[in-house]
Amino acid sequence: DAGITQSPRHKVTETGTPVTLRCHQTENHRYMYWYRQDPGHGLRLIHYSYGVKDTDKGEVSDGYSVSRSKTEDFLLTLESATSSQTSVYFCAISESRDGGQFNEQFFGPGTRLTVL
Amino acid sequence: KQEVTQIPAALSVPEGENLVLNCSFTDSAIYNLQWFRQDPGKGLTSLLLIQSSQREQTSGRLNASLDKSSGRSTLYIAASQPGDSATYLCASYNFNKFYFGSGTKLNVKP
Repeated sequence: DAGITQSPRHKVTETGTPVTLRCHQTENHRYMYWYRQDPGHGLRLIHYSYGVKDTDKGEVSDGYSVSRSKTEDFLLTLESATSSQTSVYFCAISESRDGGQFNEQFFGPGTRLTVL
Repeated sequence: KQEVTQIPAALSVPEGENLVLNCSFTDSAIYNLQWFRQDPGKGLTSLLLIQSSQREQTSGRLNASLDKSSGRSTLYIAASQPGDSATYLCASYNFNKFYFGSGTKLNVKP
């Protein structure tokens, strides 16, 4: 299994509070991703990183920010949590192979976040 | 933008049956197609990856095929077992991003 951990694994918080989720990898992969998974919506990309301090928005980035100060860590922050951000959050990593000819993605175990 | 579709959304079969899960995509300019398995409350586990230059990949009882020209991939599961019950997702990699289908929920009955 790819070495990806997420912390915390479960969190309950209140509306308006800041929340930070952490993703840690031991694979030294260049790319890291944050997704949310909701019934009826599938997996949706929030933000991704293509290197240290290099990040970009995904399709549902409003209300979220990210930071990557080290190759192994990718943080997702909800500046002021809302009930609509109740979800399961997955971190993923990937690396290009064969000169970019393919890119295989691996997922962490997920964080279940509940915003009351 | 790439659209990935998986039909059916759910499938129930008796143990021992061979079955095929379907994945279709709108843009054939993909680098690779990856199949995942997700158990309830768990993360996604990578099953198979097919590069754009390949036609199929095999791992144990699983065989995945890719037909870029028709925009289709299939995951064949031989001699299904109750332990195969899970949601199966496919994802294409192109335009420097991964595009996921919504998954097929498989139930294999003993």
